[in-house]
Amino acid sequence: DVKVTQSSRYLVKRTGEKVFLECVQDMDHENMFWYRQDPGLGLRLIYFSYDVKMKEKGDIPEGYSVSREKKERFSLILESASTNQTSMYLCASSFSGGGGRTYEQYFGPGTRLTVT
Amino acid sequence: GNSVTQMEGPVTLSEEAFLTINCTYTATGYPSLFWYVQYPGEGLQLLLKATKADDKGSNKGFEATYRKETTSFHLEKGSVQVSDSAVYFCALSSGESGTGTASKLTFGTGTRLQVTL
Repeated sequence: DVKVTQSSRYLVKRTGEKVFLECVQDMDHENMFWYRQDPGLGLRLIYFSYDVKMKEKGDIPEGYSVSREKKERFSLILESASTNQTSMYLCASSFSGGGGRTYEQYFGPGTRLTVT
Repeated sequence: GNSVTQMEGPVTLSEEAFLTINCTYTATGYPSLFWYVQYPGEGLQLLLKATKADDKGSNKGFEATYRKETTSFHLEKGSVQVSDSAVYFCALSSGESGTGTASKLTFGTGTRLQVTL
């Protein structure tokens, strides 16, 4: 069974704190993704990575950075947390597409982050 | 750019009722289409997918047919159960093959389904 785990289910941080969200997958997937989920907005892509040390901005990268030093681990960093970053954060992973094939994404359980 | 439009929820049905959740999309090229489901307190999981026009994806009694002429991928189930209560997301992928973008997904806003006895 594919497993994507996230370091915390719930997290409460103060404004201005540096926040690390960790994600680990055990299926040797090349691609990893960070989304935030907000009511009425669905899932929005923050960053993704298609290989170790490689990253690309998604639709809403402002205020976030990422790190991928090992293939199985993808970290999301909030350099200085703000209240508008209160949200559910979902990590996902997948194999790379090739020959026109699209592979499904496997999701972790999510981290509900509250910034006060 | 790519976009996915889903019908707004919440959708409330009685058990054994027929379900339709509408999904339409805008994309260049030939996207793959997906339905994901999110049960309370969990992450998303793939429900079904279709990779080319006229394909029908099916799983757990749910079905959706890839209609290129109407750019739609509506989700249907003939008889819903209380255990189907969840949020359903329609998504598409139309990245270029052979690159990391091939697996990027564009999601709809989600439709909450509540099934009552």
